[in-house]
Amino acid sequence: QVQLQQSGPGLVRPSQTLSLTCAISGDSVSRNSAAWNWIRQSPSRGLEWLGRTYYRSRWYNDYAVSVKSRITINPDTSKNQLSLQLNSVTPEDTAVYYCARAPSGSYIDFWGQGTLVTVSS
Amino acid sequence: DIVMTQSPDSLTMSLGERATINCKSSQSVLYSSDSKNYLAWYQQKPGQPPKLLIYWASTRESGVPDRFSGSGSGTDFTLTISSLQAEDVAVYYCQQYYSTPWTFGQGTKVEIK
Repeated sequence: QVQLQQSGPGLVRPSQTLSLTCAISGDSVSRNSAAWNWIRQSPSRGLEWLGRTYYRSRWYNDYAVSVKSRITINPDTSKNQLSLQLNSVTPEDTAVYYCARAPSGSYIDFWGQGTLVTVSS
Repeated sequence: DIVMTQSPDSLTMSLGERATINCKSSQSVLYSSDSKNYLAWYQQKPGQPPKLLIYWASTRESGVPDRFSGSGSGTDFTLTISSLQAEDVAVYYCQQYYSTPWTFGQGTKVEIK
């Protein structure tokens, strides 16, 4: 059974960097067919896909245009996890953040438990 | 970006009734090379992440009750709950994975009368 365990701070100051980690069990971050995603949810934006990382003989990343200049998603193969960094946050980045697996790079079948991140001074 | 629009925004039905949720995409999510519709449905209950119900528009995820079914092709899709149960109270989302950025509908809230 795949499990995604998220960790990271729930409060980030404006202009600082949001950092979250997603530890994967029951699968491998470098499996050559899966894609590993970050998605957020807020009342104002609904469910918003932020980006993904995946391995196909080499590592690839795709990011949403809305956050492309501020986001980095990195795999950590030694710890079998992935991370999210979102720079220069504002209160509009307040949301529940999820990591999620797409088993064949398509639909999402497993989600992390979610982390509420509040951006506030 | 592909815009996903669901209707209605909310639905209040009696136990045992048939519930129908519609989802329309701003462009076709039918991939010609494999004839698959790149469309999924999720159920979300309060305080929980979304749960996959249907993928490829009509394939039920393992363990999902057979009262849930998906249909449609191209730009118009439907999620049907054939006989509404108390545990089906939730918000339902459609999502396209035809092209990035993946996008979701705004959600349909299902309640019991």
